[in-house]
Amino acid sequence: GAVVSQHPSWVICKSGTSVKIECRSLDFQATTMFWYRQFPKQSLMLMATSNEGSKATYEQGVEKDKFLINHASLTLSTLTVTSAHPEDSSFYICSASKVPGGTEAFFGQGTRLTVV
Amino acid sequence: QKEVEQDPGPLSVPEGAIVSLNCTYSNSAFQYFMWYRQYSRKGPELLMYTYSSGNKEDGRFTAQVDKSSKYISLFIRDSQPSDSATYLCATPFSGGYNKLIFGAGTRLAVHP
Repeated sequence: GAVVSQHPSWVICKSGTSVKIECRSLDFQATTMFWYRQFPKQSLMLMATSNEGSKATYEQGVEKDKFLINHASLTLSTLTVTSAHPEDSSFYICSASKVPGGTEAFFGQGTRLTVV
Repeated sequence: QKEVEQDPGPLSVPEGAIVSLNCTYSNSAFQYFMWYRQYSRKGPELLMYTYSSGNKEDGRFTAQVDKSSKYISLFIRDSQPSDSATYLCATPFSGGYNKLIFGAGTRLAVHP
């Protein structure tokens, strides 16, 4: 199979602090990973494309300085929410595929971020 | 207009019922369609995918695409309580199969 693991599963942080979320492909290499955000009772919205060894590509309306993405290896991408505020509270999910352009994206279990 | 529209429900059916879940899309260039199932507080898992028009069957699940009306459907036969989840339709952005546009998701509850 293809397993994508996120850590942590949930996190509570104080307003103004930064939070790092990890996304790992456990049994395959992924040159590209994707980060999505899902607000309660809403769909997943693509935030950015994480490319191994290069800068991430952000979707329109997503602040790149607030959501820092690093894809330092073929099995790990990290999303750092900087200076988090309550409106950043959401469910963050990553996905990865075994090969570029492959026909299936495997999703992590998600990270629930609550900013208080 | 959203690129993929999906009624969020919720939809409640008795065990054994046939369930019909639907999405519409706006861009006629979309050709590849997926259905994902998402349990509460979990990431989505791929159920089925279809390419272009037609039907695809996998056990109790049938995916259908009608490109003329830009309508995609997922049918669940003999629904089970374990099918209770949110079902999301999705299609890729141009330029890659794994960069996805999702519908809002339909919450399904199958009661015994």
